[in-house]
Amino acid sequence: GAGVSQTPSNKVTEKGKYVELRCDPISGHTALYWYRQSLGQGPEFLIYFQGTGAADDSGLPNDRFFAVRPEGSVSTLKIQRTERGDSAVYLCASSLNAGATGELFFGEGSRLTVL
Amino acid sequence: GENVEQHPSTLSVQEGDSAVIKCTYSDSASNYFPWYKQELGKRPQLIIDIRSNVGEKKDQRIAVTLNKTAKHFSLHITETQPEDSAVYFCAAGESNSGYALNFGKGTSLLVTP
Repeated sequence: GAGVSQTPSNKVTEKGKYVELRCDPISGHTALYWYRQSLGQGPEFLIYFQGTGAADDSGLPNDRFFAVRPEGSVSTLKIQRTERGDSAVYLCASSLNAGATGELFFGEGSRLTVL
Repeated sequence: GENVEQHPSTLSVQEGDSAVIKCTYSDSASNYFPWYKQELGKRPQLIIDIRSNVGEKKDQRIAVTLNKTAKHFSLHITETQPEDSAVYFCAAGESNSGYALNFGKGTSLLVTP
């Protein structure tokens, strides 16, 4: 596609529920990143994929968070047993090749609100 | 891990003046330093970047300088315009880690006509 697409744009859920956030990267981009941005803060790195594999998941805050990219394109960020502190904008970004230019192209984000 | 500090958190300048935003980083392995601009409710977008083998880079009204010894880098915007108003984020990354970036907390720049 023309840009990184994220769905849903907004998600309101209750504490304890399960949530999935989807990211469709720019066609041909092999690297995909998930970041989390809280109000008034910079994006916080969560996980990075090169192809289908998670090359670095050191930013995932705990085992309630998990992400997959089974075919090396679309990725899903999964959050189990959501907590109010999970409320944030979840940003996805893709890059042509993580070892090349380094430029990240961000999506518009999925705003998650946990009540 | 990498820690990126950014100052100031807010900056107000008059149209036509210059704006400078400064960042420091902690990990000497970092070799890639981009700057992103984020308008309200929009996605972050890259405006300029610099690599560790370069001390300065300029693109029209925007320039970035890097001091690897001191581990700090700065963004300079000259002849500011109201449309420059946004939040600016510095970041640091390392090519061997796939450029997984560590961002500063951002600087909210307001350019008043």
